[in-house]
Amino acid sequence: QQQVKQSPQSLIVQKGGISIINCAYENTAFDYFPWYQQFPGKGPALLIAIRPDVSEKKEGRFTISFNKSAKQFSLHIMDSQPGDSATYFCAARGGSARQLTFGSGTQLTVLP
Amino acid sequence: SAVISQKPSRDICQRGTSLTIQCQVDSQVTMMFWYRQQPGQSLTLIATANQGSEATYESGFVIDKFPISRPNLTFSTLTVSNMSPEDSSIYLCSVEDWVKGGFFGPGTRLTVL
Repeated sequence: QQQVKQSPQSLIVQKGGISIINCAYENTAFDYFPWYQQFPGKGPALLIAIRPDVSEKKEGRFTISFNKSAKQFSLHIMDSQPGDSATYFCAARGGSARQLTFGSGTQLTVLP
Repeated sequence: SAVISQKPSRDICQRGTSLTIQCQVDSQVTMMFWYRQQPGQSLTLIATANQGSEATYESGFVIDKFPISRPNLTFSTLTVSNMSPEDSSIYLCSVEDWVKGGFFGPGTRLTVL
């Protein structure tokens, strides 16, 4: 059972545009929701994260919006740049070992 | 954030052989996690490794295939045993900072011929 659903699978955005990636979860026991950025040949890097008692968190050009009642959260990348082209994964933390469950990933391409 | 290194960074192995992947962390951590990322796919948790106890495996992963050692609070190994081409993946070590989040090593890219 996939516990974190991510969309879209791929996204193409013009430079300067806004990139939006969405995730939905099922398990209400999740208590921490990070986003990871992964470049080819590299391990995932923590980008930004949010806890369920907060509805929005902003760090530079990256913003997480969190809707606890709908069990959804999203990543917004403002003023998208070609250097943002990467695969983005949402995740949720929970379980006996507080492990991460990952979404399926979104391949973002920002056109120059 | 924790600095995590993995060895080897990549390897090409023959079917039926085994490979041991090492993970070293620059600080003491209670739990370490091993993930698998198949080509073009997301990350799947293989097991959680606590120091001083048996690793806990996720559904679909067994100790005979993926034995794990955790001899101290900064080091762990994952062995991929009796490999087949289906084991070709990136294997990632991760540690959790409960305040800052999860951090990943650079991964070990395994190709099985």
